Amino acid sequence: EAGVAQSPRYKIIEKRQSVAFWCNPISGHATLYWYQQILGQGPKLLIQFQNNGVVDDSQLPKDRFSAERLKGVDSTLKIQPAKLEDSAVYLCASSSTASGFFHYEQYFGPGTRLTVT
Amino acid sequence: DQQVKQNSPSLSVQEGRISILNCDYTNSMFDYFLWYKKYPAEGPTFLISISSIKDKNEDGRFTVFLNKSAKHLSLHIVPSQPGDSAVYFCAASGSGSSNTGKLIFGQGTTLQVKP
Repeated sequence: EAGVAQSPRYKIIEKRQSVAFWCNPISGHATLYWYQQILGQGPKLLIQFQNNGVVDDSQLPKDRFSAERLKGVDSTLKIQPAKLEDSAVYLCASSSTASGFFHYEQYFGPGTRLTVT
Repeated sequence: DQQVKQNSPSLSVQEGRISILNCDYTNSMFDYFLWYKKYPAEGPTFLISISSIKDKNEDGRFTVFLNKSAKHLSLHIVPSQPGDSAVYFCAASGSGSSNTGKLIFGQGTTLQVKP
């Protein structure tokens, strides 16, 4: 079974530029998560999708961050414009859903390390 | 507001000895807890979990203990091996009709197992 795929693995941009990250979850996983992990901290949920609908985006800085999962499979997270404090690893995770219940165990991709200079 | 806390940033143990990683939480609505392991340049991988209806769960060398009254859980690794050297994250999730599977993570503890 293929794992969660993310690209690019590394990205360096200047502040005020824009950047986009891509994620392809495990086949059949209806739930997709984007996390931000700042150095020395644990992952923090940015947005959660169930198929192509948003379940939770309460911690997404909506003035600069956006995410979509148009066909309910892969997803894109965008930052525009980037700030220095956006430097972090952006992790994508997916989980299955059975009988309408969310499964706790999430499978993570390798992440994209973003450096904003 | 840090709802899940791992107060020890790092831990060093000798190979073959026991490693004990600790985690505290503040939200009494959490009812499911997980431990993830992370190697450099990789995403976290699931290690072991425990439901709030239990106080212990064991999987091979890994055992998680939950003390609900103290809002504390711990991960025991016995015996520790050099390959266990990684960052360990504790995570918690809510329950009931509001459950969305959302995980709240601690800051992580870096474990080093010396040969």
